[in-house]
Amino acid sequence: GQQVQQSPASLVLQEGENAELQCNFSTSLNSMQWFYQRPGGSLVSLFYNPSGTKHSGRLTSTTVIKERRSSLHISSSQTTDSGTYLCALATGGLSGKLTFGEGTQVTVIS
Amino acid sequence: DPKIIQKPKYLVAVTGSEKILICEQYLGHNAMYWYRQSAKKPLEFMFSYSYQKLMDNQTASSRFQPQSSKKNHLDLQITALKPDDSATYFCASSQDGANSDYTFGSGTRLLVI
Repeated sequence: GQQVQQSPASLVLQEGENAELQCNFSTSLNSMQWFYQRPGGSLVSLFYNPSGTKHSGRLTSTTVIKERRSSLHISSSQTTDSGTYLCALATGGLSGKLTFGEGTQVTVIS
Repeated sequence: DPKIIQKPKYLVAVTGSEKILICEQYLGHNAMYWYRQSAKKPLEFMFSYSYQKLMDNQTASSRFQPQSSKKNHLDLQITALKPDDSATYFCASSQDGANSDYTFGSGTRLLVI
């Protein structure tokens, strides 16, 4: 079965609203990362977050190992936040392999 | 300045031909990777290299061959191209495998006709 599941699949926000994106994984956590994929396709690393809570500007990532989940909170959304948010789980031991979820497509409207 | 350079950005190839996708990273990272993203599918791991040694190969086909001439260089040779190979191919790197931040290149969008 799918090792990394993201929800919701898509989300429409009014500018200024907050959002919480979820990532659940079916295997033990080694490490996990969040990425933002721009509408043009390029990927930007948001967080490397194997456990606990991390903040970056309006973004907060929280990983709870024993519950096998990670979340990404977007506060005060802006139209420039539109794009796809991907979580990825390290699943390959020494290989460095990341297994990606299918992503949450976020659209922020003004 | 881009920290991972992928060339070309776009590529159109004829079925049966061979192409090489170029990737160079200027981050001083020890590990490099190739991922593929087909339409409506998640990013899919292909290869990982560490200190120029192949660590993992998850591609089913030998038509895909990574080539590492230097530590900061990992090209992808694809032979006997098929329309199903059409996808965006991303190169990435990290300092210490999956225990450190990944940085992705901007991708090579390949269309096989």
